[in-house]
Amino acid sequence: GENVEQHPSTLSVQEGDSAVIKCTYSDSASNYFPWYKQELGKGPQLIIDIRSNVGEKKDQRIAVTLNKTAKHFSLHITETQPEDSAVYFCAARAEGFKTIFGAGTRLFVKA
Amino acid sequence: NAGVTQTPKFQVLKTGQSMTLQCAQDMNHNSMYWYRQDPGMGLRLIYYSASEGTTDKGEVPNGYNVSRLNKREFSLRLESAAPSQTSVYFCASSEGRAWNQPQHFGDGTRLSIL
Repeated sequence: GENVEQHPSTLSVQEGDSAVIKCTYSDSASNYFPWYKQELGKGPQLIIDIRSNVGEKKDQRIAVTLNKTAKHFSLHITETQPEDSAVYFCAARAEGFKTIFGAGTRLFVKA
Repeated sequence: NAGVTQTPKFQVLKTGQSMTLQCAQDMNHNSMYWYRQDPGMGLRLIYYSASEGTTDKGEVPNGYNVSRLNKREFSLRLESAAPSQTSVYFCASSEGRAWNQPQHFGDGTRLSIL
């Protein structure tokens, strides 16, 4: 079945450094790739998304890249801050209502 | 603007008991979803409702039922709770029927079954 693999499962960086989280998807029909941030005790919140007709998208310190040929997409956070500490989920969605989520990356930003 | 509201926030049940998890959204969204989140497994879709009056199974529907009560409300029912259903349950909604619309999540219901 469809699958999204996410790496690493845990990531620790110093404040001010960059963080990169990578995902690979299996369903070649996937066309929509959202990223969610989940803080302790809260639900996932959308932070950025990308559609298959776009290779890269930026929003301030956050960027996402997509390589459809390799079925890879990545989240890049620059100038990390302690408030970036959270669990991040990638996801992939083909046409229809089924979104497949990665297992999550727990990001620690050390002050 | 509350977004997606889930009740209760916490619940402890005994094996075999039944309960209904409630979800309401105030964004006039057409589509609603129920997920469960287990450690190391991300979110898995239980059921979804593409629009008012319709419901469909997701990846892990066994042991659950849903009701789309109206456009705002989508409930999840456990008829006979089992320990394997201990999880955090999230409700989400999205704007339309288009597949490339972001989902908005509630803050979850933490359910323990003894």
